[in-house]
Amino acid sequence: EVQLVESGGGLVQPGGSLRLSCAASGFTFSSYWMHWVRQAPGKGLVWVSRINSDGSSTSYADSVKGRFTISRDNAKNTLYLQMNSLRAEDTAVYYCARGVTIPYYDFWSALEGYNWFDPWGQGTLVTVSS
Amino acid sequence: EIVLTQSPGTLSLSPGERATLSCRASQSVSSSYLAWYQQKPGQAPRLLIYGASSRATGIPDRFSGSGSGTDFTLTISRLEPEDFAVYYCQQYGSSPETFGQGTKVEIK
Repeated sequence: EVQLVESGGGLVQPGGSLRLSCAASGFTFSSYWMHWVRQAPGKGLVWVSRINSDGSSTSYADSVKGRFTISRDNAKNTLYLQMNSLRAEDTAVYYCARGVTIPYYDFWSALEGYNWFDPWGQGTLVTVSS
Repeated sequence: EIVLTQSPGTLSLSPGERATLSCRASQSVSSSYLAWYQQKPGQAPRLLIYGASSRATGIPDRFSGSGSGTDFTLTISRLEPEDFAVYYCQQYGSSPETFGQGTKVEIK
């Protein structure tokens, strides 16, 4: 059975840092692009970041660029999200999701992908508050 | 980025009725790269439809998707009690991937 289990969420003060983890099992983790998607309380879904299968290509939403870093350890079947300089508006449930990816190269020859998400982990809550 | 607008915001229906959910994009979604997800309270989203009309593995055939360009529809032919939830559309034809704000299907 394919499983994604997030951990690492919690309460952190504005300006603080947190590292989320997502443990994957039941599939060949190293073959898939992986994503983080977040959902603020009572709100909709917002894509945050993605990483390709070997970790050589990453992408971020403008709202987190320069503050968050996505990474992966294929030997440990684990995805990470390092979150620095946290703000109140980063408060959300953070989901990791496996990408179903159609890769392509963009105009600047950078690797990109058309991604939908299946499956999703159960999520971990990050609360940024003083 | 492509903005997706879902309507209605809330749909109040009875079990057995047909549900029609709309997702309109601010610009054309290339190759009908549109997905639908179902989310129940306290749960993660679940993939229902990808490629605008292809059902994901294990999804009952009462769920169907259609549309192209800027207008897409999710139809639930006969609502079962377990179908009352929030539904999101997502486009993946343009970076970044974006989601609609959701449609809540509630019991009338």
